[in-house]
Amino acid sequence: EDKVVQSPLSLVVHEGDTVTLNCSYEVTNFRSLLWYKQEKKAPTFLFMLTSSGIEKKSGRLSSILDKKELFSILNITATQTGDSAIYLCAVIRSGGSNYKLTFGKGTLLTVNP
Amino acid sequence: EPEVTQTPSHQVTQMGQEVILRCVPISNHLYFYWYRQILGQKVEFLVSFYNNEISEKSEIFDDQFSVERPDGSNFTLKIRSTKLEDSAMYFCATRGQGAGNTIYFGEGSWLTVV
Repeated sequence: EDKVVQSPLSLVVHEGDTVTLNCSYEVTNFRSLLWYKQEKKAPTFLFMLTSSGIEKKSGRLSSILDKKELFSILNITATQTGDSAIYLCAVIRSGGSNYKLTFGKGTLLTVNP
Repeated sequence: EPEVTQTPSHQVTQMGQEVILRCVPISNHLYFYWYRQILGQKVEFLVSFYNNEISEKSEIFDDQFSVERPDGSNFTLKIRSTKLEDSAMYFCATRGQGAGNTIYFGEGSWLTVV
C-alpha cells in the first residue's frame, strides 16, 4: 500500500518566518509528487514534481524532490497570514494514465501576525 | 484560471436517502475523479473515470456508489442509500490529457447524513 507521511502535522509561526514542510513517501512505481494548499475547501494546486533535484518556484513558495531519499520539501519564505492553510502532499504512481492521488494527512500551518 | 464546479455546496440528507452530487469539469478535460474527506481525516480516492467508464475504484466505492456522465458535461456521483458514515466533503477533480497535466479540484460538496 502506498504511504505518504507529512511532518510536522501542525506548525505555528509568526509573519515573516520561513517554514519548511516535509513529505516522505513509499510508493510502488513512483511517477510524481504534488503539493496542494487547502484553505477552506478545495485543494489548490501548487507544484507537481517529477524529476529529482530540480527546484520549482512560485513567488515565496518553492519545492524540491529527492527521489533517492524518497522525500520532498515545501519552503515558504517571508510567511504571511494568508499562507495559513493545510498543505497537502500527494503522490502518483506511474503506469497508465489514471493518475490516482494518494494523499498524506497534511500539515496545518498557522501564521500569526 | 479554469474551474471545476460542484453542486450542491452543502446537502443535508436523512439516512437511507439517495444523493446525487454534480460536477462540471474543466472544458477539454477527459479524466474525472471523486475524492472524499471525512472531517479531520485524509483526502481519500474514491473512483476515476475515463472514456465513459470507471478506470479504477477504491474499497470505499462499494455498490452503494455509482458515477456517470449522462450528458457529456456533468459528472455525477450517486450514493443510493446514504449512511451516517458517508458524511464527508466530496471533491470532484479533473485532468486534461498528457503526461504533464495535473489534477484540479472543485470546491467540494459537503454532505451531512442525519
